[in-house]
Amino acid sequence: AQSVTQPDIHITVSEGASLELRCNYSYGATPYLFWYVQSPGQGLQLLLKYFSGDTLVQGIKGFEAEFKRSQSSFNLRKPSVHWSDAAEYFCAVGARGGYNKLIFGAGTRLAVHP
Amino acid sequence: EAGVTQSPTHLIKTRGQQATLRCSPISGHTSVYWYQQALGLGLQFLLWYDEGEERNRGNFPPRFSGRQFPNYSSELNVNALELEDSALYLCASTPGWTESTDTQYFGPGTRLTVL
Repeated sequence: AQSVTQPDIHITVSEGASLELRCNYSYGATPYLFWYVQSPGQGLQLLLKYFSGDTLVQGIKGFEAEFKRSQSSFNLRKPSVHWSDAAEYFCAVGARGGYNKLIFGAGTRLAVHP
Repeated sequence: EAGVTQSPTHLIKTRGQQATLRCSPISGHTSVYWYQQALGLGLQFLLWYDEGEERNRGNFPPRFSGRQFPNYSSELNVNALELEDSALYLCASTPGWTESTDTQYFGPGTRLTVL
């Protein structure tokens, strides 16, 4: 069965510090992978996605993620965090084969200290 | 270009009532997805509609149902509301049905509260 694990429920970083949010997935083949961000009371905004090709993916707002097949991971990184990055971040895996649903991790809530 | 829109923003119902939530996809998108984001349960896939047909369904009871209209907008109906149905309901859309998982674009959600 497909699943996504985000091991960190809460992370606090100082503004300007680097950030890495972890995501591990379980899937029988190469999955489609996504990172979304959700600000309080808002819907989900796509940060980046991996479908195939280059395993280092660049996204919006200065985020990037690296797909590592050997580790079944798709960690999200940002070199310097801004206070506006405080939000909840969701990793998701999409099924191939036409089923089209996304399976989400539990999310990581990011707090940014000034 | 307008994004995915959902109405109402907030909905308050009592146990046993029915709730109707609405979603309009991005113009040109034919697939609509519904997800439930309940406290402590995370984001769970509910339903997928494309070209007016239900294509896939998550692990939810039959009292969760919906439909898609000819203009590709969609309704989610929840009958016999229970307290645990209280959640943020998110709608997403994609251009159409392919054999891969297209990027899903999400609306702002409808917050359903069941008293």
